[in-house]
Amino acid sequence: NAGVMQNPRHLVRRRGQEARLRCSPMKGHSHVYWYRQLPEEGLKFMVYLQKENIIDESGMPKERFSAEFPKEGPSILRIQQVVRGDSAAYFCASSASGTQETQYFGPGTRLLVL
Amino acid sequence: GESVGLHLPTLSVQEGDNSIINCAYSNSASDYFIWYKQESGKGPQFIIDIRSNMDKRQGQRVTVLLNKTVKHLSLQIAATQPGDSAVYFCAEVSGTYKYIFGTGTRLKVLA
Repeated sequence: NAGVMQNPRHLVRRRGQEARLRCSPMKGHSHVYWYRQLPEEGLKFMVYLQKENIIDESGMPKERFSAEFPKEGPSILRIQQVVRGDSAAYFCASSASGTQETQYFGPGTRLLVL
Repeated sequence: GESVGLHLPTLSVQEGDNSIINCAYSNSASDYFIWYKQESGKGPQFIIDIRSNMDKRQGQRVTVLLNKTVKHLSLQIAATQPGDSAVYFCAEVSGTYKYIFGTGTRLKVLA
C-alpha cells in the first residue's frame, strides 16, 4: 500500500492525558501536512513539515500541540493534556513537493477525549 | 433538489442523473483548486484539480468548471451512481501549499 498511513485510526484519551498521532507519508513524498476536522465541517490546516523542519505551524494552537517529522520514521502530532475540545478527526496529507502539488490524505485518526 | 440542513448543505440526485456541486471560494488570488470526495469514516480522496489559467477540466465522469470573475467552482458528475454518495469539498490554494477547504456538500444518490 503506497498511500498515506495513519495510526491509530481511533484513539480514546481521558482529559489530561497525552495523544500521539502518527503519519507515514506516501512513498517518495517528503512534505507532510496535518489538518483537523470537526463533525460536519471542512478540514482546517494545522501545520506543514518537511523532514526535520517545521515550515508553517500557523494553524496549530500555541499551547499543548506540537509536531515533528524526524529524519527517520513517521511524522508525529502530539497533544499534551488533552481537553474535550480536542476531540476531532486529525488527517495527515503528503505531497512530493510543497509548491501547489496535490496533497494526498490518509484515513485519519479519530480522537475522542472523555 | 438542494437544501440547507443544520450543518452541511445536501444535494439529492436520482441515480443516473447528472450532479452539479457548487463552491464559492474566498480569495481572488487563489490559483489552484481541488475537489475531494470524503466518504463516511474515511479521509478525503482526490477527484480532480484545476489551475487558474483554465476554466474547464474533464476527468472520468467528472468535470470541474472555474469562473474566476465570480469566484465560483463547480463539480459536475455525469450519470451519478450510488457509490458517488459522499461529502464533497472544494479546496483553494493561494501561494504554495496552504489548502483552504470549503464547508462541503453532502451528495445523496437516490435509487
